Amino acid sequence: GENVEQHPSTLSVQEGDSAVIKCTYSDSASNYFPWYKQELGKRPQLIIDIRSNVGEKKDQRIAVTLNKTAKHFSLHITETQPEDSAVYFCAAFDPQRGTYKYIFGTGTRLKVLA
Amino acid sequence: DTGVSQDPRHKITKRGQNVTFRCDPISEHNRLYWYRQTLGQGPEFLTYFQNEAQLEKSRLLSDRFSAERPKGSFSTLEIQRTEQGDSAMYLCASSSRDKRAGANVLTFGAGSRLTVL
Repeated sequence: GENVEQHPSTLSVQEGDSAVIKCTYSDSASNYFPWYKQELGKRPQLIIDIRSNVGEKKDQRIAVTLNKTAKHFSLHITETQPEDSAVYFCAAFDPQRGTYKYIFGTGTRLKVLA
Repeated sequence: DTGVSQDPRHKITKRGQNVTFRCDPISEHNRLYWYRQTLGQGPEFLTYFQNEAQLEKSRLLSDRFSAERPKGSFSTLEIQRTEQGDSAMYLCASSSRDKRAGANVLTFGAGSRLTVL
């Protein structure tokens, strides 16, 4: 089955700097890769996603890149702000054998220092 | 329909008791998922329904756990004879394959936090 690895587990950046979080997946059949932001005590919220037919997607300060050959995808946050501090999870959507599981990474705790 | 609803939000129980959680998904979503999340970890897949059919159960789901989705609408997750290791946040999420509903976008509920004493 699918396995998703996420790095780093913690990341501290100065306000205004960029942050990059990387994930790798194992199943080449996975075709949808969402990123979630989870603030303390709250539900995971979708912030951006990418499908396997594109290599990059951007939404204001957030972008995601996908390398299908290498089976890795990354989240890029530019001009970080204190409110970006949260735990970020990547996920891979595995449609094999007619089931539709989302497998999550272990999370990255991002701290934006003012 | 404001999203995925879960009830109760918090449950404290004694070891050995049974607990049941309810999830109401987004109405047009035919897929419903249960995940478990412990502190500092990502959501772990427990089980998944497409309409009323339970299509997959994780090996994490022991025989003390059972989930149902009668009529393909709300779902319940029951834990029998709870153990301290069951303490976690139980997240429900739903999605749809319909492009008009945002194909495969997974929306989470706020979760049900279980504490087993």
